[in-house]
Amino acid sequence: GESVGLHLPTLSVQEGDNSIINCAYSNSASDYFIWYKQESGKGPQFIIDIRSNMDKRQGQRVTVLLNKTVKHLSLQIAATQPGDSAVYFCAENLDNAGNMLTFGGGTRLMVKP
Amino acid sequence: NAGVMQNPRHLVRRRGQEARLRCSPMKGHSHVYWYRQLPEEGLKFMVYLQKENIIDESGMPKERFSAEFPKEGPSILRIQQVVRGDSAAYFCASSQQGTGELFFGEGSRLTVL
Repeated sequence: GESVGLHLPTLSVQEGDNSIINCAYSNSASDYFIWYKQESGKGPQFIIDIRSNMDKRQGQRVTVLLNKTVKHLSLQIAATQPGDSAVYFCAENLDNAGNMLTFGGGTRLMVKP
Repeated sequence: NAGVMQNPRHLVRRRGQEARLRCSPMKGHSHVYWYRQLPEEGLKFMVYLQKENIIDESGMPKERFSAEFPKEGPSILRIQQVVRGDSAAYFCASSQQGTGELFFGEGSRLTVL
């Protein structure tokens, strides 16, 4: 769902541990999902995407899981590093013909050295 | 190969003034998107443009806001008679086609006094 202006939820992990960031999306018709990383003062940076015909996709140190039954998306980061500290947003595409994304509210990941 | 370029990075305006934000998409990209981000929130879609055409402006406020992407030059997001509630970060993104990976700029941060 969308943020209503509350402070971002924060996930604090120890360096080297695995991180799991969750997201609930809003529209069962969405067919494309993306995770973005946003560092302070910067624009969103693409991490990984997944289409609705898949339930898992792996990248370098990151895995995205999609559960369409409960409209849930997760991002797993293996061996979390201090450079992973940022706000993470999931986004869904409600229009197969364009990039008019709907963003979730975001989770702040803090990595403790 | 330069990414999406936005300027100014920071803009301060008094209530009632006009704000103009510029965006040059990545080389070879003809699809431009504007998003707005309030503090501690996700990005909200505003408008989608191609050269000389507004494709979708469903996220744009009905008054005071306008966008263009002329045949030559950057895309412009224009906010007339700014109010304090317009204070936000405005991000531009571009893609080569209407779908596919979206590349974001670093944003323009508007502060209305």
